[in-house]
Amino acid sequence: DTGVSQNPRHKITKRGQNVTFRCDPISEHNRLYWYRQTLGQGPEFLTYFQNEAQLEKSRLLSDRFSAERPKGSFSTLEIQRTEQGDSAMYLCASRPRQGAGTSSTGELFFGEGSRLTVL
Amino acid sequence: AQSVAQPEDQVKVAEGNPLTVKCTYSVSGNPYLFWYVQYPNRGLQFLLKYITGDNLVKGSYGFEAEFNKSQTSFHLKKPSALVSDSALYFCAVRGNTGKLIFGQGTTLQVKP
Repeated sequence: DTGVSQNPRHKITKRGQNVTFRCDPISEHNRLYWYRQTLGQGPEFLTYFQNEAQLEKSRLLSDRFSAERPKGSFSTLEIQRTEQGDSAMYLCASRPRQGAGTSSTGELFFGEGSRLTVL
Repeated sequence: AQSVAQPEDQVKVAEGNPLTVKCTYSVSGNPYLFWYVQYPNRGLQFLLKYITGDNLVKGSYGFEAEFNKSQTSFHLKKPSALVSDSALYFCAVRGNTGKLIFGQGTTLQVKP
């Protein structure tokens, strides 16, 4: 399977614990995005990487959240001291570089998501 | 700031009938617009996009969308709905840095 891969698919944790999600993008994609989706809502942008550089962070990304993409390949999203309000689906997406010589026209390719439940 | 609005939380149609899921947008400059579909507990699947060119865009699974600049709309359509089309549909506009900004979603229910 050459799609975007996310692990774990489901995580149940107690309030106050730390959790980490991993995203493996499509191999030739240099851009990686994290989104959060709560029940009945559209996905909300959290952060964006171009290669290993984190170029944009949403105001939704509180200081308990940290994301990394150390070698420009896979990415991790860590939530420290989880709260019940963090319960959501965390979606990762990737896309290739746009421009001459590429086939990208802007759509993002999403993984299946990691569902977090904080008790 | 770019945004999209999906005015209907839910759309119900009978199988075999045409369907329309509405989306309006607000952008400065030329819009890049997208439709995605989401099945329960799954990620988002890309359906189609408008970048430039023909106002009628054809996509996956028989879906199409009509771009209307004067009405700032990008409605999703299908001539004949299937029960298997029942899902959550999202309209999105491309923002800066290439991120997509999504609407609230519309649940499509196709009845047999």
